[in-house]
Amino acid sequence: GAVVSQHPSRVICKSGTSVKIECRSLDFQATTMFWYRQFPKQSLMLMATSNEGSKATYEQGVEKDKFLINHASLTLSTLTVTSAHPEDSSFYICSAAQRGGGVEAFFGQGTRLTVV
Amino acid sequence: SQQGEEDPQALSIQEGENATMNCSYKTSINNLQWYRQNSGRGLVHLILIRSNEREKHSGRLRVTLDTSKKSSSLLITASRAADTASYFCATYGGGSNYKLTFGKGTLLTVNP
Repeated sequence: GAVVSQHPSRVICKSGTSVKIECRSLDFQATTMFWYRQFPKQSLMLMATSNEGSKATYEQGVEKDKFLINHASLTLSTLTVTSAHPEDSSFYICSAAQRGGGVEAFFGQGTRLTVV
Repeated sequence: SQQGEEDPQALSIQEGENATMNCSYKTSINNLQWYRQNSGRGLVHLILIRSNEREKHSGRLRVTLDTSKKSSSLLITASRAADTASYFCATYGGGSNYKLTFGKGTLLTVNP
């Protein structure tokens, strides 16, 4: 199946700094990429949907100035957590939908962000 | 928003037993998908069932869909310790944005 690579898998940063998470589709072109946040023992909460070359669509309650999403190419989307605070600590997961490939979503391995 | 509700929230069984997880949803769907997540990892797609299908099989997995009741079930037969994971259903309502709505998940523990 299609492979989505997410990097880094774990990151620890200091409060006030920014962290960038990358999501790459390795062997297919991703029409759309999705960013999720997952709290311990809970489900995935969709943060935003990004389409290549256009602005991301954020879900209600998600601060677009805090969670910057860039989808510059058909194989790369990035999520930048700006001015991170301890409450931003979470598991972030990206997924990608394949162009012309139906609706199956391929997920990255996730990034565990810890803000200290 | 999360529209899916899985039950049970947690299920513990012995190796070799069957595990059944249920999912209910609220709006009309184009298809429903089941995913598996090992602790601290990403999600792995297991199976997709379309709204005009009632049952689907894949190896030891059997999925049913009842659109009149807006519910689905995932059956794992002859479970193994390696099946221990969280299982999520996700619904796709249609449209070109491929947006999935996830349920809350069932944590399955298979004891050796």
